[in-house]
Amino acid sequence: QLQLQESGPGLVKSSETLSLTCTVSGGSISSSSYYWGWIRQSPGKGLEWIGSIYFSGSIYYNPSLKSRVTISADMSKNHFSLKLSSVTAADTAVYYCARQDIVEMVYATDYWGQGTLVTVSS
Amino acid sequence: QSALTQPPSASGSPGQSVTISCTGTSSNVGRYNFVSWYQQHPGKAPKLMIYEVSKRPSGVPDRFSGSKSGNTASLTVSGLQAEDEADYYCSSYAGTNNLGVFGTGTKVTVL
Repeated sequence: QLQLQESGPGLVKSSETLSLTCTVSGGSISSSSYYWGWIRQSPGKGLEWIGSIYFSGSIYYNPSLKSRVTISADMSKNHFSLKLSSVTAADTAVYYCARQDIVEMVYATDYWGQGTLVTVSS
Repeated sequence: QSALTQPPSASGSPGQSVTISCTGTSSNVGRYNFVSWYQQHPGKAPKLMIYEVSKRPSGVPDRFSGSKSGNTASLTVSGLQAEDEADYYCSSYAGTNNLGVFGTGTKVTVL
């Protein structure tokens, strides 16, 4: 059974860089059938796609966050990472890593991590 | 791109049906048949309920159905059950610049 697990600091200071890693088990991020990405949810608010990475190295970012976001992957460790720079209180959210199918259930996000709350403090 | 528009709330009695709308634009919902719907219970990660407008993943009850007309997609939950009480979000592919624009979310209450 595929599992995704986010890890990283739960508290980040304003203006610094938020860093999270998603470790995948039960499947490979080297598969050509999926994108691997990050989605966040501010407290009491809706979902926002941050960006995704493909095994080929292609990376896609939400235009509204593109200037501050970096997504990378380590195929040997079967994990991928998120960096969000110059954070503010508006970046306080639950951050989910997730898998997006592009073959069977096209562009549907079928597996999610449990989510990790990141709070930006002043 | 702006979030897709959903009504903030919807409700129904057990056994009844509820339909949630999801309005986008000709750049997302209207252009692609890649609309998906997610159910989220408090404190939990979202769960995929519908993909490609109207298809159900394995294990999702057939009480859940989806459709689309123009720039608006819809999710219908028939035969409401207590466990259907949750937040529901739609999402649409919008090109490689936006692999998934989400809706504003709808809280479904089972009366």
